Amino acid sequence: AQKVTQAQTEISVVEKEDVTLDCVYETRDTTYYLFWYKQPPSGELVFLIRRNSFDEQNEISGRYSWNFQKSTSSFNFTITASQVVDSAVYFCALRKIQGAQKLVFGQGTRLTINP
Amino acid sequence: DAGVIQSPRHEVTEMGQEVTLRCKPISGHDYLFWYRQTMMRGLELLIYFNNNVPIDDSGMPEDRFSAKMPNASFSTLKIQPSEPRDSAVYFCASGTRETEAFFGQGTRLTVV
Repeated sequence: AQKVTQAQTEISVVEKEDVTLDCVYETRDTTYYLFWYKQPPSGELVFLIRRNSFDEQNEISGRYSWNFQKSTSSFNFTITASQVVDSAVYFCALRKIQGAQKLVFGQGTRLTINP
Repeated sequence: DAGVIQSPRHEVTEMGQEVTLRCKPISGHDYLFWYRQTMMRGLELLIYFNNNVPIDDSGMPEDRFSAKMPNASFSTLKIQPSEPRDSAVYFCASGTRETEAFFGQGTRLTVV
């Protein structure tokens, strides 16, 4: 069975601080995708990144970066120089590459950036 | 592309009434998913379709819930009869094997 754990239920930081959201996953599959989605207060789910299990290179996109470590089954997300607009609930998710295409989500981390 | 379109955005209904949620996926996507989001259970998959065929409905809570996909551009999720515990945000998403899932804006359902 697949499982995604986001142990941090809520995080609150002051603007401009760096913050890391943790994601640990469990799967018996050798190939899979990992995702991060953002859910701002308006409620929609916004795709941020998809990572293939073959590719352990870290990725950076502006102030966002992702650290994928297969050895520890983790896919952590760091926001550098946080801004108030980053306040949202962030979800990590897992999906097989072959077979069932359903996304398995973690419980989410509510991030609050205070001015 | 307009993205995944869900209607209505908000629905308030009385217990016992039938509720129908609608979804128009992104053109060309062959997978369609229905998720439910609650505070207690988070985001849970109810059912998903591939090429209009239901593949996995193990997340459908009970027989009161049913979903259909009569063609590639339309799907419905029906609850009959509705109960207060069905109150949640229901998301529809579409995608392909090679892409991420794109989510609609969601339907906030309140059953009173």
